[in-house]
Amino acid sequence: GAVVSQHPSRVICKSGTSVKIECRSLDFQATTMFWYRQFPKQSLMLMATSNEGSKATYEQGVEKDKFLINHASLTLSTLTVTSAHPEDSSFYICSARDRLAGTLDDEQYFGPGTRLTVT
Amino acid sequence: AQKITQTQPGMFVQEKEAVTLDCTYDTSDPSYGLFWYKQPSSGEMIFLIYQGSYDQQNATEGRYSLNFQKARKSANLVISASQLGDSAMYFCAMREYGQNFVFGPGTRLSVLP
Repeated sequence: GAVVSQHPSRVICKSGTSVKIECRSLDFQATTMFWYRQFPKQSLMLMATSNEGSKATYEQGVEKDKFLINHASLTLSTLTVTSAHPEDSSFYICSARDRLAGTLDDEQYFGPGTRLTVT
Repeated sequence: AQKITQTQPGMFVQEKEAVTLDCTYDTSDPSYGLFWYKQPSSGEMIFLIYQGSYDQQNATEGRYSLNFQKARKSANLVISASQLGDSAMYFCAMREYGQNFVFGPGTRLSVLP
């Protein structure tokens, strides 16, 4: 199956600093990428949908100025957590949909996730 | 309103036995897809099986099968011959036509030796 990578896999940062997470589709072009957040023992919550070359669409309650998303190419989307605080500590997962996909059963490929800890 | 319901927060099964993980969904859209994902402790989401709303037959993928009951809006996952490596979180998800994934709360499966 298609591969989506995330970097870094784990990051610890100090409160007030910013951290960038990269999501890459390795063997396909992704016009749409998704960013999810997952707290311990909870489900995935969609934060935003990222479309190549345009502004991301954020879900209700997600601060767009805090979680900056850039989808600069068909294979790369980045999530920057600005001025991180301990409550931003979470597992962040990206997902990508193949550019060629267009049917209901097109699979969304998930990255391995990034565990962010803010101290 | 909750679109995906998984009523079993945790399940135990003996190794080599079969287990059914429940999933019910809510939609008024006639076109939708149902997915099951496995999430081991490493965190990666592993796609298991897909069922389309118009599919006449239940989906099967190796040891995984999906018991699709459209009128009851249920899409239960059946794992046959459980293995220790099946211990993980399992998420049911739905995607309506033109919409994004909606995930259920998940079921933690523990396979006992």
